[in-house]
Amino acid sequence: KAGVTQTPRYLIKTRGQQVTLSCSPISGHRSVSWYQQTPGQGLQFLFEYFSETQRNKGNFPGRFSGRQFSNSRSEMNVSTLELGDSALYLCASSLGVPPNTEAFFGQGTRLTVV
Amino acid sequence: DQQVKQNSPSLSVQEGRISILNCDYTNSMFDYFLWYKKYPAEGPTFLISISSIKDKNEDGRFTVFLNKSAKHLSLHIVPSQPGDSAVYFCAASTLSGTYKYIFGTGTRLKVLA
Repeated sequence: KAGVTQTPRYLIKTRGQQVTLSCSPISGHRSVSWYQQTPGQGLQFLFEYFSETQRNKGNFPGRFSGRQFSNSRSEMNVSTLELGDSALYLCASSLGVPPNTEAFFGQGTRLTVV
Repeated sequence: DQQVKQNSPSLSVQEGRISILNCDYTNSMFDYFLWYKKYPAEGPTFLISISSIKDKNEDGRFTVFLNKSAKHLSLHIVPSQPGDSAVYFCAASTLSGTYKYIFGTGTRLKVLA
């Protein structure tokens, strides 16, 4: 069974640009979550989607957005990039229905903003 | 406000001995807890979970203990192996409604051969 796939693995962007990251969940998983990991901050929750609906959103500015497609694949978009957006962006998928909520993570997309 | 805290940024243990990683939380609404292991350049890997109706859960060399009154959980690894060297994150959630995990900042475990 294939795991969670994130593309691209690495990305370098310039301040002010926008970026789109992609996540393909494990087959059969309907929930996709996104997290930002920065040194010393652990993993910070961005948002969670289930069956194309955003069920929860973290404390990030509106420049961060996401969506989920009918095949459960998800994208997140960051507009007007800032240097502080440099981070590892992790996608996780799960069945999404309690108690089966263990999340399985992809390898992440390393975004560097210069 | 850090709702999930891992106060030890790093831990070194001899191979074959027990590793104990600790995690504290402040939100009494949390009722589901997980541990993840992360190697460099990889995403976190799910290790073990526990719901608040239990105080212990075992899976092979890994055991998680939950002390609800102290709002404290710990992960025991016995015996520790060099391949266990990684960053360990604890995470907390509520089974009903929030659909997100709150992660601690991680503890880097080094198992010495």
